[in-house]
Amino acid sequence: GENVEQHPSTLSVQEGDSAVIKCTYSDSASNYFPWYKQELGKRPQLIIDIRSNVGEKKDQRIAVTLNKTAKHFSLHITETQPEDSAVYFCAASKVDTGRRALTFGSGTRLQVQP
Amino acid sequence: GAVVSQHPSWVICKSGTSVKIECRSLDFQATTMFWYRQFPKQSLMLMATSNEGSKATYEQGVEKDKFLINHASLTLSTLTVTSAHPEDSSFYICSARWQSAKNIQYFGAGTRLSVL
Repeated sequence: GENVEQHPSTLSVQEGDSAVIKCTYSDSASNYFPWYKQELGKRPQLIIDIRSNVGEKKDQRIAVTLNKTAKHFSLHITETQPEDSAVYFCAASKVDTGRRALTFGSGTRLQVQP
Repeated sequence: GAVVSQHPSWVICKSGTSVKIECRSLDFQATTMFWYRQFPKQSLMLMATSNEGSKATYEQGVEKDKFLINHASLTLSTLTVTSAHPEDSSFYICSARWQSAKNIQYFGAGTRLSVL
């Protein structure tokens, strides 16, 4: 089955700096890669996603890149703010066929220091 | 965005009792819902995939007789933890897949179960 690895497990940056979180996946048939942000005790919130037919996607301060050949994808947050502090999870799935459930990475705890 | 309601948000029960958790998609129909379990400071682990009108598909190591799943309608799935024990204490989160929205999964707010 699919296996998703995520690094780093914790990340501390100064406000205004950039943060990068990386994930690798094992199943080359996976074609959908969302990123979720989860604040303490709350539900995961989708912040951005990318499909395998696209190499990069950007939404204001957040961007995701995908390298299908290497089977890895990354989340980039620029101009970080204290409210970006949370746990971020990457995930992978096959949305149209086969296993549609998300396989999550282990999470990255991002701390933005004011 | 779509709204997924999960109830209750927090439940405390005695060992040996059963607890039912509801997951509802409020403004869309979800043919597929997923149930996850999350331990403190850990990732979400898929327990089962719930398909409307058919039996749930359980992940390896998840006891189907222990965690009963029913998906009776396109907007409701329930998870019943039967004969709960302290080791079942965890955060349970459901998600619903919105087919019309490119299959994005929306999550419920989660249920914190504490078994005494």
